[in-house]
Amino acid sequence: AQTVTQSQPEMSVQEAETVTLSCTYDTSESDYYLFWYKQPPSRQMILVIRQEAYKQQNATENRFSVNFQKAAKSFSLKISDSQLGDAAMYFCAYRSFRDDKIIFGKGTRLHILP
Amino acid sequence: DSGVTQTPKHLITATGQRVTLRCSPRSGDLSVYWYQQSLDQGLQFLIQYYNGEERAKGNILERFSAQQFPDLHSELNLSSLELGDSALYFCASSVDAGSHNEQFFGPGTRLTVL
Repeated sequence: AQTVTQSQPEMSVQEAETVTLSCTYDTSESDYYLFWYKQPPSRQMILVIRQEAYKQQNATENRFSVNFQKAAKSFSLKISDSQLGDAAMYFCAYRSFRDDKIIFGKGTRLHILP
Repeated sequence: DSGVTQTPKHLITATGQRVTLRCSPRSGDLSVYWYQQSLDQGLQFLIQYYNGEERAKGNILERFSAQQFPDLHSELNLSSLELGDSALYFCASSVDAGSHNEQFFGPGTRLTVL
């Protein structure tokens, strides 16, 4: 069974600085998707970024980028120029090509310090 | 706003009771997913429906059931409620079945069992 592990329950970063959230996963499959979701205090689940495992190029979305290391089964999220609105719970997630369910990590709560 | 609506926003009930959570997917989306977010278990996939038919089952208890109606809205029924069922229940929808389709999450229903 696939698992997703986020080893950092909480992190803090100074506003305008860069922070990296870690994620590792376990799977025996070769084709899959990886995601980072943001859950602000409103509780809404917001897709931040998505990576297809067959793509070697790391995904980027404005200030958000990932470091995808397939062999190491590592998928970290880098947030540049952190803003107060980035404060939220961040979930790393996995989705197989074979089915539709998303498997989530336990989350990392990110605090932005003004 | 993802376009997925869930009612009610909050629900407070007692142990042993039965409740129904409702989800309206985005216009045109055929697939509906239910997830449970609890403090101890994190975010877990419960069940998926596609165009009225059950497509995938996750860690859903036998006391829980779901269905998708001809107008594509879905209901999650929780019965013989226990304290441990207190959680945030998310519905998500996607245009089609298949892992390449993005899932859009609703705002969730917060269930409190007293």
